[in-house]
Amino acid sequence: GDSVTQMEGPVTLSEEAFLTINCTYTATGYPSLFWYVQYPGEGLQLLLKATKADDKGSNKGFEATYRKETTSFHLEKGSVQVSDSAVYFCALRGQAGTALIFGKGTTLSVSS
Amino acid sequence: SAVISQKPSRDICQRGTSLTIQCQVDSQVTMMFWYRQQPGQSLTLIATANQGSEATYESGFVIDKFPISRPNLTFSTLTVSNMSPEDSSIYLCSAGETVSYNEQFFGPGTRLTVL
Repeated sequence: GDSVTQMEGPVTLSEEAFLTINCTYTATGYPSLFWYVQYPGEGLQLLLKATKADDKGSNKGFEATYRKETTSFHLEKGSVQVSDSAVYFCALRGQAGTALIFGKGTTLSVSS
Repeated sequence: SAVISQKPSRDICQRGTSLTIQCQVDSQVTMMFWYRQQPGQSLTLIATANQGSEATYESGFVIDKFPISRPNLTFSTLTVSNMSPEDSSIYLCSAGETVSYNEQFFGPGTRLTVL
């Protein structure tokens, strides 16, 4: 079945450092890909998405490009802030009408 | 976008009892789902709640343990039956506005502790 693999955390960075969180997927066909974020004590929020190959999703300085050839959707940010500290989940939706499948999540901790 | 509320927000229950969690969406949605998030873990899909018919359960989850209702396009319930400490988790309701949705919205979750 469909699955998502994320890099293990936690990731600890200093403010203004470059962030990469790796995400790869296994799916039949052409899934849609998502990054969700869960800030401490809050619910899940959509961060960005890409629905077809070579699409780039972006939001709040974060970017991820849908790479079908490497089945990847890595999350990047050029300069992280303390307020970016959260758990980040990569997810896919394989077909219309099906639920999101999530990776295990990566905890990011940014210190000043 | 859809705004989802859940009740209760948290509960502490005794082993062997059952708890029903309510999920209310502020607009009509086609797709509704229930997830479990165990402490420090990712989200695991329990089932898809189908309006007017039986829910579709994922492998490892059964109707007797997690009965689900969905009487209309804005409301669903999940019951956790005959609870044990292993059922301690956050239970999340989620919705997609159409079959072809591009965003799946999440409720704030119900934090369940079973003693």
